[in-house]
Amino acid sequence: GQGVEQPAKLMSVEGTFARVNCTYSTSGFNGLSWYQQREGQAPVFLSYVVLDGLKDSGHFSTFLSRSNGYSYLLLTELQIKDSASYLCAVRDVSGTYQRFGTGTKLQVVP
Amino acid sequence: GGIITQTPKFLIGQEGQKLTLKCQQNFNHDTMYWYRQDSGKGLRLIYYSITENDLQKGDLSEGYDASREKKSSFSLTVTSAQKNEMAVFLCASRTGGGTGQLYFGEGSKLTVL
Repeated sequence: GQGVEQPAKLMSVEGTFARVNCTYSTSGFNGLSWYQQREGQAPVFLSYVVLDGLKDSGHFSTFLSRSNGYSYLLLTELQIKDSASYLCAVRDVSGTYQRFGTGTKLQVVP
Repeated sequence: GGIITQTPKFLIGQEGQKLTLKCQQNFNHDTMYWYRQDSGKGLRLIYYSITENDLQKGDLSEGYDASREKKSSFSLTVTSAQKNEMAVFLCASRTGGGTGQLYFGEGSKLTVL
């Protein structure tokens, strides 16, 4: 069946890094987006990837492997304020339908 | 920049009641979405619309109706609220650019007594 999966929780130490994983199985693929959602707030767009490989955007980097149905969001030099939920969303072939994963709640500890 | 406004922010209803949520956007985006967010279940798509008067069902459309009478507005109706239901409904619109970035409203929190 179709689905987008993410681990529910992740904990990392301030100043280090965190890798948020996303695996997907969909009938078509036209890119994958990452969003950050703080408690009680709306999701905010972080990044979009459609080609294989690593896309470095400074504090946030994203990796995609289309053949494996896998992506990750890498956060480096973690700060306490990076504590939030991170959602991945897979776009269908039309680009209109976006299926979200369950989200990963990242806790950054001192 | 633009903004998406959802009303009401909090909605309390009774079992069996019909409840309507409204969403307005001033981005001039064509495509709009309604998602439901339950704790631990991520965002699930209820309805989306690619233009005025267009409606497309998502994965969770049963029990809901939607309306897109104007490009700038998209309404969602819970046709019969379920007792003890509690969820956040998020409205979004999509840029027409390559990233397909979604812009979200702040959400409407539904509680059914």
